[in-house]
Amino acid sequence: GESVGLHLPTLSVQEGDNSIINCAYSNSASDYFIWYKQESGKGPQFIIDIRSNMDKRQGQRVTVLLNKTVKHLSLQIAATQPGDSAVYFCAENGNSGGSNYKLTFGKGTLLTVNP
Amino acid sequence: AAGVIQSPRHLIKEKRETATLKCYPIPRHDTVYWYQQGPGQDPQFLISFYEKMQSDKGSIPDRFSAQQFSDYHSELNMSSLELGDSALYFCASSSARGAEEKLFFGSGTQLSVL
Repeated sequence: GESVGLHLPTLSVQEGDNSIINCAYSNSASDYFIWYKQESGKGPQFIIDIRSNMDKRQGQRVTVLLNKTVKHLSLQIAATQPGDSAVYFCAENGNSGGSNYKLTFGKGTLLTVNP
Repeated sequence: AAGVIQSPRHLIKEKRETATLKCYPIPRHDTVYWYQQGPGQDPQFLISFYEKMQSDKGSIPDRFSAQQFSDYHSELNMSSLELGDSALYFCASSSARGAEEKLFFGSGTQLSVL
């Protein structure tokens, strides 16, 4: 069958640099946002989350910024390491009923860290 | 710490066959979600269960069905398989009662339909 190539946005950085990965979301009613890291052949791994009543949240080496006005989310990774190389997805939960986590994933970004 | 367990890890089927994917959530998690991820695509929500009842439904084909059992494990049944069903199928779990609200994903089942 016909193969589908990867059409992911890509970001290539040098080890030790800071990385910024951006995401635009569509549902203005979304109240919970998550960043996931997905390595090849593995499931998405939780990185950091943020609720809509916040505009910034920090974790270990990672910071998430939320701009509700323009519906934009970003993930900042400080001192990027080769082990950070992966596809990064943002996800939003705008479901007001049913499951708490009917997450809608954004397009992933492939981060490549060069040693 | 225990994670979400999915089986099998890889599955190869032919067109029009059936497949069953299994998911064992993290202990004490009561909610299970199924996602489908095509090559180079973002995960798409299929269906979810809370306390053994279907809680939400996404873009799941009518050929697919799923259920959650009394021990909270879940199975995704896929019939009349098509080439386009080839994808990575993820299960995730969470606890509606717990203080943690994060969604934890398994490693997925890679389904190849030939």
